[in-house]
Amino acid sequence: DIQMTQSPASLSASLGETVSIECLASEGISNDLAWYQQKSGKSPQLLIYAASRLQDGVPSRFSGSGSGTRYSLKISGMQPEDEADYFCQQSYKYPYTFGAGTKLELK
Amino acid sequence: EVQLVESGGGLVQPGRSLKLSCAASGFTFSNYYMAWVRQAPKKGLEWVATISTSGSRTYYPDSVKGRFTISRDNAKSSLYLQMNSLKSEDTATYYCARPKPIGTTVFDYWGQGVMVTVSS
Repeated sequence: DIQMTQSPASLSASLGETVSIECLASEGISNDLAWYQQKSGKSPQLLIYAASRLQDGVPSRFSGSGSGTRYSLKISGMQPEDEADYFCQQSYKYPYTFGAGTKLELK
Repeated sequence: EVQLVESGGGLVQPGRSLKLSCAASGFTFSNYYMAWVRQAPKKGLEWVATISTSGSRTYYPDSVKGRFTISRDNAKSSLYLQMNSLKSEDTATYYCARPKPIGTTVFDYWGQGVMVTVSS
């Protein structure tokens, strides 16, 4: 199975600050990488797919990058509504696997 | 508007069975692969099963293979998950999820989730 190592496990950001979350795959996943946001008590929502493609309706302050085994999610200008858990997911091959998550809080 | 509504969760004893359902609306259900994803309390996400459009192909991780069965009824726009020989580690919120139709499996629509608790 492909292991997805996500870091950091938690972070705190001030309003307007730029935040970065990383995911490291145990083998190359050819940009088959998605990012999800999950707010407290809610279902996950797709933010980014194919490593860098923004899902419809997602604010442009969210962006994704990376290749091979290393991928990152960037939030350019933290907003109060961005307080949530974030997960990466590889869809390169079965079994699809997720990172353990990053808890992002507003400082 | 795409809607996925799960039902059938609850408290069940270890070793027993439970069947979850997901009612889909707002899209042509028969044109989409469908999946179940679960989340243990305060934990991360785990993909549980995927089914092809016709139901002829199914996929599972080793953690549930042989115990869980995903199925669908396209005439009823419904997805199911039959869970047998349940274990305490199956305790989780189970989400019905629709993969985005882009040739790789990422989930662009999720249900609200249904809780399954396996405990004596």
